[in-house]
Amino acid sequence: EPEVTQTPSHQVTQMGQEVILRCVPISNHLYFYWYRQILGQKVEFLVSFYNNEISEKSEIFDDQFSVERPDGSNFTLKIRSTKLEDSAMYFCASSVDKIYEQYFGPGTRLTVT
Amino acid sequence: ELKVEQNPLFLSMQEGKNYTIYCNYSTTSDRLYWYRQDPGKSLESLFVLLSNGAVKQEGRLMASLDTKARLSTLHITAAVHDLSATYFCAVFYRGGSQGNLIFGKGTKLSVKP
Repeated sequence: EPEVTQTPSHQVTQMGQEVILRCVPISNHLYFYWYRQILGQKVEFLVSFYNNEISEKSEIFDDQFSVERPDGSNFTLKIRSTKLEDSAMYFCASSVDKIYEQYFGPGTRLTVT
Repeated sequence: ELKVEQNPLFLSMQEGKNYTIYCNYSTTSDRLYWYRQDPGKSLESLFVLLSNGAVKQEGRLMASLDTKARLSTLHITAAVHDLSATYFCAVFYRGGSQGNLIFGKGTKLSVKP
């Protein structure tokens, strides 16, 4: 069964460093999302992406964040200068259509020290 | 802005008992999702509820949606230890062109022998 994959599973970085989190959505899906979950808290929407453009973003998704679909398969989330409060689990999700079910990847645990 | 409230946030129950988790949301939406999350893992889709009065059942779990009351329930029948996990409801929010999911805070379910 097709699934969303994410790499790395765990990333440790120092404050101020740039990180890139990678996702491979399900191949026939056209809509992509990033969510994050701070430990023990709820899942929060960051950004949605379609047709090589950001469709929507939350207030969490500030200028330090960017997303890209560099090729036909990968979908990346970049944090330019990480802060301690960026430590969280980051989930990528994809859907075949914007109103259809979103399938979540296994997540990348980001630890900023 | 759409708000999603789940209760209870913590639920400790004995095997064999029944219980219901409630999910209220503040703005009209036409679809609601229930996810399960095991510690340190991703979100596993349980149910997609697409219309008023929708009821879906899988094993010991049954979910329903009342769009007029803006309420969804997840009913657990004769709980078993394997159901111990955190359960999230997520409401589809059409804030913009693509929409995104707004999650509740989750209900941490612990089923004890």
